[in-house]
Amino acid sequence: AQKVTQAQTEISVVEKEDVTLDCVYETRDTTYYLFWYKQPPSGELVFLIRRNSFDEQNEISGRYSWNFQKSTSSFNFTITASQVVDSAVYFCALSEAPRSGGSYIPTFGRGTSLIVHP
Amino acid sequence: EPEVTQTPSHQVTQMGQEVILRCVPISNHLYFYWYRQILGQKVEFLVSFYNNEISEKSEIFDDQFSVERPDGSNFTLKIRSTKLEDSAMYFCASSPIRGLVPNEQFFGPGTRLTVL
Repeated sequence: AQKVTQAQTEISVVEKEDVTLDCVYETRDTTYYLFWYKQPPSGELVFLIRRNSFDEQNEISGRYSWNFQKSTSSFNFTITASQVVDSAVYFCALSEAPRSGGSYIPTFGRGTSLIVHP
Repeated sequence: EPEVTQTPSHQVTQMGQEVILRCVPISNHLYFYWYRQILGQKVEFLVSFYNNEISEKSEIFDDQFSVERPDGSNFTLKIRSTKLEDSAMYFCASSPIRGLVPNEQFFGPGTRLTVL
């Protein structure tokens, strides 16, 4: 069974600080996908990144970076020089390989609420 | 850019009433999904739909729930007799291919269901 743990319920930072959101996952599969989604106060879910289990290369996209460590089953997300607009709930999710005929269904963590103060 | 749309944005209903939540997935997508998020909690999978039938469903998706693709564009979630605990945000999502590679699911903006 797949499980995603986001131990940080809420993080509060001041603008321009760097912040790392932790994500730890459990799976028995060797093939799986990890995701991060952003949910701003308006409520929609915004896709940020997908990473497959065979690609441990870290990724950077502007102020966002992701650190995938299979050895520790973690897929952490760092925002550099945070801004007020980064305030949102961030969800980490995991999809194991589907059963025959099925589709990849992500299991979401409980989310981390990030509050960036001006 | 194409997007998933959902209507209504907010639905208020009385306990025991039937509700239908509507979604228009992205036009060339083949897989459709419903998720729900109880306020302040994580997003939970309800059901996936492919080729006009349910592909997978979770334990939450009991006999009170049903999905339908009544025409070529809409994808609906019906809750037959709503309960207080059905109050949640309901997200529709679609993805473009069946799934050796799970291209990301594109989520709609959600429908907030309030059951009184």
